[in-house]
Formats: sequence, C-alpha cells, structure tokens
Amino acid sequence: ETGVTQTPRHLVMGMTNKKSLKCEQHLGHNAMYWYKQSAKKPLELMFVYSLEERVENNSVPSRFSPECPNSSHLFLHLHTLQPEDSALYLCASSQDALGAYTEAFFGQGTRLTVV
Amino acid sequence: AQTVTQSQPEMSVQEAETVTLSCTYDTSESDYYLFWYKQPPSRQMILVIRQEAYKQQNATENRFSVNFQKAAKSFSLKISDSQLGDAAMYFCAYRATQYGNKLVFGAGTILRVKS
Repeated sequence: ETGVTQTPRHLVMGMTNKKSLKCEQHLGHNAMYWYKQSAKKPLELMFVYSLEERVENNSVPSRFSPECPNSSHLFLHLHTLQPEDSALYLCASSQDALGAYTEAFFGQGTRLTVV
Repeated sequence: AQTVTQSQPEMSVQEAETVTLSCTYDTSESDYYLFWYKQPPSRQMILVIRQEAYKQQNATENRFSVNFQKAAKSFSLKISDSQLGDAAMYFCAYRATQYGNKLVFGAGTILRVKS
C-alpha cells in the first residue's frame, strides 16, 4: 500500500455516459497527478495539481475534466469519451509538485473501457 | 524535450539469476534525477531505485543496482538473485532538477521470472 487509493478499480462506460474517477491520498502531500497508461506507450502526464491549484494541463481534451477540492482528493470527470480513451488511469501524489527529487507515490489505477 | 527510451519490451529471467533492463534518455540538462519504478500485476507503481546525476557512484538497493553512464546517457537496472515477486512491468523515468520539470517515463519493460 502506497497511501494512494483510487476508485473504482474498473469502469466500463458508454460514449454518452458521464462518470468520475476518484483518488485519495493519506500522505499529507501537496501535489497530485493524473496519468494515462496505454499499452506499449510511455505514461502520459495529464494534469498536475499543487496545493489544489492546477499547475499543468498537457493538452488534454476537454472531455476530461479534473477537480481538486482539497489536497487529499483528486477527481477526473469523464464525459462523451471515445474508444481510444480506454486505458489505465493512474493517480499519483508527491510532497512537492515541482522539486526534482520528489518521489511520486501511485495508486492502483482505474482500468477504463469505453464502449 | 527530454525523452526516455526502453528498447526491451519484454525480458525473461530464470529464478535466482541476474537480469539487466536497459534505459537510455535524451536531455540537454546537466543535472537531473533518474528513477526505476516497478508496476506489479496489482498495478500499483512502486519506486525501486533512484540516482542523482551528479553522483558518480551507482545507486544500490539490496538486490537492485544501476549502471549509470552519464556520458552515454544510459541508466540500466540490474536485478540480482531474481525472485518470482520481481515479475512486473519496469519503468525508467527522468526528471530534471530545474524547478518545475516533470517526471518523464519510458514505455516500460515487462519482466517475466521463470521458476
């Protein structure tokens, strides 16, 4: 257990559905991240939040909408997704968003399938 | 832009044997950090080992060690006395020390351990 919990573990949704992924960290960290992991591709950083403020958005389509209500919780709201959005979505946290030596702690991910 | 390349999509090793996973990276920075992360079937990414670029001495963590060749921009991971629990996807990652730089991952190498 890394102290980062993601729910749900698996999600199947239709292209017209709206769903949300949840991430919670119990480590007292100030930064949280969303990554997308697709088969045979490097992890893609989607969003970075530092002290509840979004500090990075890597050209992610607007059908993905993050929300960080406090430093312990991070959501990814999904709507009108495409089949190519099917992937493992990983949440991570770190003490500091921007320090180089900062270790990232990852959740177990949500396996998303868009049908 | 920094890139991280893992040229081995998949590797196999016999239990108790030694295996080396390759990683190369491209950067114009002189100071940075390198990491190896392990993602077991549970999908939770765990930090295995890290190396500061300014240190000449290779990092070691129990059965895990790295061969860091800064001039060649190479950062391989050696796993000694391989165990069944080492079977996982391994990701190499890079982060510059310049404030604000993000963690960049390679595509990963699947390690299979045979009994």
